[in-house]
Amino acid sequence: GAVVSQHPSRVICKSGTSVKIECRSLDFQATTMFWYRQFPKKSLMLMATSNEGSKATYEQGVEKDKFLINHASLTLSTLTVTSAHPEDSSFYICSARDWGDYRSGYNEQFFGPGTRLTVL
Amino acid sequence: AQTVTQSQPEMSVQEAETVTLSCTYDTSESDYYLFWYKQPPSRQMILVIRQEAYKQQNATENRFSVNFQKAAKSFSLKISDSQLGDAAMYFCAYRSALQGGSEKLVFGKGTKLTVNP
Repeated sequence: GAVVSQHPSRVICKSGTSVKIECRSLDFQATTMFWYRQFPKKSLMLMATSNEGSKATYEQGVEKDKFLINHASLTLSTLTVTSAHPEDSSFYICSARDWGDYRSGYNEQFFGPGTRLTVL
Repeated sequence: AQTVTQSQPEMSVQEAETVTLSCTYDTSESDYYLFWYKQPPSRQMILVIRQEAYKQQNATENRFSVNFQKAAKSFSLKISDSQLGDAAMYFCAYRSALQGGSEKLVFGKGTKLTVNP
């Protein structure tokens, strides 16, 4: 199956600093990637949809200036948490969509292993 | 907006037994996909099974099968011959299949499955 990586897997930063998380599709090209946030023992909440070469589409309630998303290539999307605060501490997961089956029109989303962000 | 409801926060099963996890959803769309994802302690999301709404036949993947009731908007997951490695959080998810529609996944709150030896 297709592989999606995330880097770093864990990051600890001080309040007020910015943190960048990378999401890479290793063996396929992904025109669309998704960024999720997961609180402990909770479900995944979609933050934004990242499209290569265009602006990301953010879900309602997600601050665009706080969570900057850049999808500069077909294999890389980045999420930057700007001026991080303790309430931004969470588990961030990305998924990447493959080209799909041209006959059925179905495309698969493959998930990265996640990044645990801790803001002190 | 679509919603997915998992009414069982926790379930437990004895090893080698069968367990069924429940999921209901709400949508006004006629064409969509339903999924069950497994999230073990590693937090890596793993696709367990997928069902296309236009297919009447229930999807099956080895020990995992679903009971898809479109009219009732119900999508349960049956795990047969449960193994210790099945212990995880299980999430039910919905995705539109409409041409040009949103491809985002809408997740339920999850069910924590414990497998007892």
